[in-house]
Amino acid sequence: DSGVTQTPKHLITATGQRVTLRCSPRSGDLSVYWYQQSLDQGLQFLIQYYNGEERAKGNILERFSAQQFPDLHSELNLSSLELGDSALYFCASSPGGASYNEQFFGPGTRLTVL
Amino acid sequence: AQKVTQAQTEISVVEKEDVTLDCVYETRDTTYYLFWYKQPPSGELVFLIRRNSFDEQNEISGRYSWNFQKSTSSFNFTITASQVVDSAVYFCALSEVGYSGAGSYQLTFGKGTKLSVIP
Repeated sequence: DSGVTQTPKHLITATGQRVTLRCSPRSGDLSVYWYQQSLDQGLQFLIQYYNGEERAKGNILERFSAQQFPDLHSELNLSSLELGDSALYFCASSPGGASYNEQFFGPGTRLTVL
Repeated sequence: AQKVTQAQTEISVVEKEDVTLDCVYETRDTTYYLFWYKQPPSGELVFLIRRNSFDEQNEISGRYSWNFQKSTSSFNFTITASQVVDSAVYFCALSEVGYSGAGSYQLTFGKGTKLSVIP
């Protein structure tokens, strides 16, 4: 158990809908990363937050957004969903800061868009 | 741009055979980190090892060993005496220091190698 929690574990929805994925980092970790794993694109970095502020952006679609709250949990919002958004979404957390820190991955949320 | 290539898409071995998973990376930085993760059928990502670019010593952990060669930009992973429980998808990943700014250590993953160990 990495100490990172993600909810829900599974999510099934329809095209055009909006969903929110939630991540609670390990206690004390300030940095949260979101990754998407799909069959065609593999594992891709989406976005990183550090202590409430956006730190880095990867291949994140404009229909997707994220935020990190004062209690450090993070949410990834996916809107106007398309079939191709079906994927496993991982959250990872790390202590953050200028020095390298290990990233610990949550169990993932499997999103199915029908 | 940083890139990780795992040329082997799928490998099948018979139990107790040794198997090596290849990983080749590209980076502009002189300081970077390399990783191997295991993704069993249950789906979670399990951290196996981290190496920084200044440490070229090979590492052995039980049946697992890693060979890091900067000269060929490779970070290969060997499982000795494979077991059925080793069946999983294995990912190699790279993190450049400050790729997107200070304090960002986003991971760039390879496409993964699916290892099947046949009893």
